[in-house]
This record gives sequence, C-alpha cells and structure tokens, in this order.
Amino acid sequence: EAEVAQSPRYKITEKSQAVAFWCDPISGHATLYWYRQILGQGPELLVQFQDESVVDDSQLPKDRFSAERLKGVDSTLKIQPAELGDSAMYLCASSFGDYMTYEQYFGPGTRLTVT
Amino acid sequence: AQSVTQPDIHITVSEGASLELRCNYSYGATPYLFWYVQSPGQGLQLLLKYFSGDTLVQGIKGFEAEFKRSQSSFNLRKPSVHWSDAAEYFCAVAPQSFQKLVFGTGTRLLVSP
Repeated sequence: EAEVAQSPRYKITEKSQAVAFWCDPISGHATLYWYRQILGQGPELLVQFQDESVVDDSQLPKDRFSAERLKGVDSTLKIQPAELGDSAMYLCASSFGDYMTYEQYFGPGTRLTVT
Repeated sequence: AQSVTQPDIHITVSEGASLELRCNYSYGATPYLFWYVQSPGQGLQLLLKYFSGDTLVQGIKGFEAEFKRSQSSFNLRKPSVHWSDAAEYFCAVAPQSFQKLVFGTGTRLLVSP
C-alpha cells in the first residue's frame, strides 16, 4: 500500500540552527500539505501545494519558515533559525485532489525538539 | 469566533463497552465535518466524513458519527470498543467557503481490560 514518506522521523537541534524536513507524497497526488502539531493540540495547516504552486501559506511564519515543491513531487520544509517554540510534530499529507473530494493521507511525521 | 471543541481530553472505556466522543463546532453555516484517528508514532487516518445528506455517517473500523445541526455537534460512536482502538481522536471541520481543515485539540482514548 502506498504511503507518504517523511524523513527524518526525529530531529534534535539547538536554537538558532537550521533544520529541514523532507516529504515524499503518494505517487500521483497533486496536493501536498504541511501541518504542525504542537503537543496536546490538533494539527495546524502551515502550507498547501497544488502541484508546485503554493495554494495557502497564510499560517506559515515566513520570517523563518520556507517550503518548496520544485517539481511538484516531493517537498522540503525548512526552519531557519529554529526557536524553542518550534518544537512540535511536523506532518506531511497528500491527496489526489482537493481534500473536499479526496482523502488526505498523512505521513508518520517528524518530531522536532529544539534545545 | 469559529472553533472546534472536543471537551474531553481523556476518556477511558472498558474493552467491549460502547464509546462516544464529543465534538462541537462554532461556524455560521454547516461546515464539512471529519473524524481522524492517530495511533502512537503514526500519522492521522480518516475515519469518516460528513458533507451533506444522511446525518448518520458510517466509517471504517466500525465507527459511526451523527451530525446534529441543532446542537452543532458531530459525535463519534462505536458500539463495542477493542483494545486496538486506543489512540487519539481528532474532530476536524472545514468551512464550506474556503478550503482549510481546522482540527480540534483531540481526545485520547484509553481502553481498559
């Protein structure tokens, strides 16, 4: 069964350092989402791509976060510099089309700890 | 303000007993409604969704949910809980006017023998 892949699964970094997360969606899925899930809370959408274009990045802290999906397939989320408050689970999801019609499939996430 | 509320942070149910997880939303119009489950170390999995029509929705793993417009609720139910159902459950809504899922804070289900 096809799955959304994410790496690394765990990342510990010091504050002010740069960190990057990678996501490989299910083959053929045009829509890709990055969510942040703080402990004890539900996921919050950071950025949504349709192919290589950003559809929604209204909740992405653009002073330190960036996301790209250059060829419309895999995607990278970067944080530079990391802050203590960035400690969270970062989830990637993909869907064939818009989520109203097509189910979002989630990866296992990357748990980030900033020290 | 628009919001999704899951009032129970933790719920403990005996194996074989019935389950109901509560979800309330505050939106001007009926939004699209979802329930997801997250097992430890895993991503979220969609259990069921409601867009319109029949207010009782059947999902995977024996779960169902009922939409009640008058109560602005979308509670998740299962008649007999299995130990493997222990996980965190998230209610999510999406206003029909734009595309963004808003998740509740989750309810952690513990299943006792």
